[in-house]
Amino acid sequence: KQEVTQIPAALSVPEGENLVLNCSFTDSAIYNLQWFRQDPGKGLTSLLLIQSSQREQTSGRLNASLDKSSGRSTLYIAASQPGDSATYLCADSGSARQLTFGSGTQLTVLP
Amino acid sequence: GAGVSQSPRYKVAKRGQDVALRCDPISGHVSLFWYQQALGQGPEFLTYFQNEAQLDKSGLPSDRFFAERPEGSVSTLKIQRTQQEDSAVYLCASSELGGGAQYFGPGTRLLVL
Repeated sequence: KQEVTQIPAALSVPEGENLVLNCSFTDSAIYNLQWFRQDPGKGLTSLLLIQSSQREQTSGRLNASLDKSSGRSTLYIAASQPGDSATYLCADSGSARQLTFGSGTQLTVLP
Repeated sequence: GAGVSQSPRYKVAKRGQDVALRCDPISGHVSLFWYQQALGQGPEFLTYFQNEAQLDKSGLPSDRFFAERPEGSVSTLKIQRTQQEDSAVYLCASSELGGGAQYFGPGTRLLVL
């Protein structure tokens, strides 16, 4: 059974700093890897999706990478802003199609 | 539609009461998923539909949970005889095809007293 782990559980950084969020998974037979953002009391907003044949995806200040051999994905956020404060979740979609989520990293960007 | 919508947004139920949660997926999306999210945790899979067919219900925690999507569009998650441990946020997601990017609704926050 796929297990997804996100470390750290919480992270606090000053505004303007570049940061990396980590996601690891136990089963390398993934279909795609999706990163989400969740604001308090809200649903999930899809940020980036990396297909199993890809190594990275970029959107604005966000860059997500995927290394299947090591079972890791990272989300890089450049020049962080207070508006980036949220919980970031990674999720793997295996052959069964449903997503297996990590517990998330709660990010606080201090002004 | 513009996105996935869910109703109600909040539901307070007395223990033993039946509840029904509704999901309107993005128009044309074939796949629909239900997830349950406990406080401080990531969502956990409950069930999956492709059109009107329920292809996977392995995540439903008990036979008190039932989901349907009779016309391949709107879906309803029903919980019978609610228990306190059913308190959670119930999220619905849809995708064009199974395995594609999933787009989530705002969720229904259920509190069972």
